[in-house]
Amino acid sequence: DIQMTQSPSSVSASVGDRVTITCRASQGISSWLAWYQQKPGKAPKLLIYAASSLQSGVPSRFSGSGSGTDFTLTISSLQPEDFATYYCQQANSFPQTFGQGTKVEIK
Amino acid sequence: EVQLVESGGGLVKPGGSLRLSCAASGFTFSSYSMNWVRQAPGKGLEWVSSISSSSSYIYYADSVKGRFTISRDNAKNSLYLQMNSLRAEDTAVYYCATARVRGSRAFDIWGQGTMVTVSS
Repeated sequence: DIQMTQSPSSVSASVGDRVTITCRASQGISSWLAWYQQKPGKAPKLLIYAASSLQSGVPSRFSGSGSGTDFTLTISSLQPEDFATYYCQQANSFPQTFGQGTKVEIK
Repeated sequence: EVQLVESGGGLVKPGGSLRLSCAASGFTFSSYSMNWVRQAPGKGLEWVSSISSSSSYIYYADSVKGRFTISRDNAKNSLYLQMNSLRAEDTAVYYCATARVRGSRAFDIWGQGTMVTVSS
């Protein structure tokens, strides 16, 4: 199985900060990577697919990059509504696997 | 409106069974693969199972293989998860999700989730 490792596990940031979350796959997954945002008590929301494609309706302050084994999610200017937990997911092969999550907290 | 609505969760004793349903609306259900993802209380997301649009391809996580069965009824726009031999570690919110973004396999639409609690 492909293991997905996110870092950091949590980050404290202020409104307006640039935040970067990384995700590393235990083997190459090409660009079969997605990023999700989840708020407490809610279902996950797709932000980025195919490593760098912005899902329709998602603000442009979110961006994704990477291929192979190393990926990043960047929030260019953190907004109050962005405080949440973020997950990466590999869709290269079954079983599909998620990272352990990164909680973005208010500083 | 594109929507997925899960139902069928509840409290069940260890060793018991439960059948989850997911009703789809607002899109051509029969054209897309469907998935179940779960989240134990306070934990991260865990992929459980996937089924292709015509049910030709089915996949399970090792943790549920042999105990859970995914199925779909395209005529009823519905997805199912039959869960047998339930264990305490199956306690979680179960989400259904679809992957409609061509060429990405990413889960673009999620239901609100249904809670399954396995406890004596």
